[in-house]
Amino acid sequence: DIQLTQSPSSVSASVGDRVIITCRASQGISSWLAWYQQKPGKAPKLLIFDASTLQSGVPARFSGSGFGTDFTLTISSLQPEDFATYYCQQANNFPYTFGQGTRLEIK
Amino acid sequence: EVQLVESGGGLVQPGGSLRLSCAASGFTFRFYSMSWVRQAPGKGLEWVAYITTTSTTIEYADSVKGRLTISRDNAKSSLYLQMSSLRDEDTAIYYCARGSGSFLGDLWGQGTQVTVSS
Repeated sequence: DIQLTQSPSSVSASVGDRVIITCRASQGISSWLAWYQQKPGKAPKLLIFDASTLQSGVPARFSGSGFGTDFTLTISSLQPEDFATYYCQQANNFPYTFGQGTRLEIK
Repeated sequence: EVQLVESGGGLVQPGGSLRLSCAASGFTFRFYSMSWVRQAPGKGLEWVAYITTTSTTIEYADSVKGRLTISRDNAKSSLYLQMSSLRDEDTAIYYCARGSGSFLGDLWGQGTQVTVSS
């Protein structure tokens, strides 16, 4: 199985800050990586797929990059509604796996 | 409205069975692969099962293989998860999700709670 390791596990930041979350795969997954945002009590929301393609309706302050084993999610200027937990997920092969999550908190 | 709505969750004893349903509306259900994903209390997301448009390919997480069965009825725009031999560790919110080859889900249901306890 492909393991995904996110870092950091949690981060505190302020509105307007730039935040980078990384996701490392235990083996190469080409560009088959997606990022999700989840708020408490809500279903996950797809932000980015194919490592860098922004899902329709997602603000442009979110961006993704990477290939192979190392990927990043960048939020260029944090907004109040961005405080949530973020997960990466690989779609290279089964079993689909998620990272353990990164909790983004208000400083 | 484009949506997925899960139902069928509840409290069940260890070893028991439950059938979850996911009703799709607002889009052509038969065009999409589907997955079930669960989230245990206070934990992260865990993919459970996947099914292609015509049910030709079905995949399961090792943790549920042989106990949970995914199926679909395209005529009814519905996805199902038959759960048997349930264990305490199956306690979670279960989400259905619409997928593609690039990602697990661009549309998710609101989730249904399954609690396995005596």
